[in-house]
Amino acid sequence: GAVVSQHPSWVICKSGTSVKIECRSLDFQATTMFWYRQFPKQSLMLMATSNEGSKATYEQGVEKDKFLINHASLTLSTLTVTSAHPEDSSFYICSAPGVIGANVLTFGAGSRLTVL
Amino acid sequence: EDQVTQSPEALRLQEGESSSLNCSYTVSGLRGLFWYRQDPGKGPEFLFTLYSAGEEKEKERLKATLTKKESFLHITAPKPEDSATYLCAAIYGGATNKLIFGTGTLLAVQP
Repeated sequence: GAVVSQHPSWVICKSGTSVKIECRSLDFQATTMFWYRQFPKQSLMLMATSNEGSKATYEQGVEKDKFLINHASLTLSTLTVTSAHPEDSSFYICSAPGVIGANVLTFGAGSRLTVL
Repeated sequence: EDQVTQSPEALRLQEGESSSLNCSYTVSGLRGLFWYRQDPGKGPEFLFTLYSAGEEKEKERLKATLTKKESFLHITAPKPEDSATYLCAAIYGGATNKLIFGTGTLLAVQP
């Protein structure tokens, strides 16, 4: 069935470097994708809405210059964490609607980022 | 403030011991209530969507119900493989596809 694929599943980087996470929709087109962040023992928090061919929409409190989102095609959205710091260490998950149902989000497997 | 609250935070059951998880919501204009299952280190997996009070949906040992203020996820005769975090989420108001999640219930089913 249709799947949302994320890569890498885990990444470790040094403080100050940038990290890119890819989110691909397999076998379907996603004009919109959502990026979530989840800290240990906490719930998923929406970071931004990724829109194909236009600028992403960021939630209040999320720095758009730090978390760069690009949605250049109907099957790929990328999240780049720029100048990462230890407090950016988290589980980042992307999702896309419309696979199971119009309002139902299908999630990727997530990407674990650890910043040293 | 719009929010989704789940209880209990954690639940330990013996295999075969039925129970219910609670999801209370205070959102304006609920458009959909969702249940997801999340295994450690994985993304959430969709279980159910409920749209109106009185609606019920079932899948194997799970049944989800919805009232005007809360939703329940009933687990009948659970098995160890049902162990996971169960997340409740809501779409509300004019927001399209933007889910607000509860903090989840960590369920452990012991053999």
